[in-house]
Amino acid sequence: SQQGEEDPQALSIQEGENATMNCSYKTSINNLQWYRQNSGRGLVHLILIRSNEREKHSGRLRVTLDTSKKSSSLLITASRAADTASYFCATYAGGTSYGKLTFGQGTILTVHP
Amino acid sequence: NAGVTQTPKFQVLKTGQSMTLQCAQDMNHNSMYWYRQDPGMGLRLIYYSASEGTTDKGEVPNGYNVSRLNKREFSLRLESAAPSQTSVYFCASSPRDRDRRMYEQYFGPGTRLTVT
Repeated sequence: SQQGEEDPQALSIQEGENATMNCSYKTSINNLQWYRQNSGRGLVHLILIRSNEREKHSGRLRVTLDTSKKSSSLLITASRAADTASYFCATYAGGTSYGKLTFGQGTILTVHP
Repeated sequence: NAGVTQTPKFQVLKTGQSMTLQCAQDMNHNSMYWYRQDPGMGLRLIYYSASEGTTDKGEVPNGYNVSRLNKREFSLRLESAAPSQTSVYFCASSPRDRDRRMYEQYFGPGTRLTVT
């Protein structure tokens, strides 16, 4: 079963615009991670946010986490054509699920030049 | 550093054939993972190894076996391939500290497997 559900499934924007992707999950988590996957390639880690954090920044990326709503969002500001990729959230529940990340189905982002 | 490497990149098998997918990492990570990625399904964990000498089942282990050969290498074996195992397979690794916290994972480039 998939822990994370991403929304929207696909997003198409113009270069320079901001892109926001959302992730909802069902059970309590230890941390939540965002990954990017370019077509035909492996996943690349973007950012990790722990359950006791509410917001984290990395360059043009901003991630928020609301544990009361069991949701997270990834904001990419001033998008570039090179940001075109699939973006996945992944949750780690901790405890007996040690070692197991559960991935969502992903959001396909297309940034038009 | 090469990071996480996987071989082969592509493979076509006939139903019933067997094969082993190889994975190696040079980052001295303790934990290693095998996932499969199918369209519209995201990534699903097949098996993982928290440390050398240990392996555990993930979400979809049926039809697969794994071997943690040493700290660097983690192989995935399909004993009798089935068309349902057509997928892209990714290996990943991550560090682990003594508090067993979960860090980010580093992924290989994937193996695209087709079973006819």
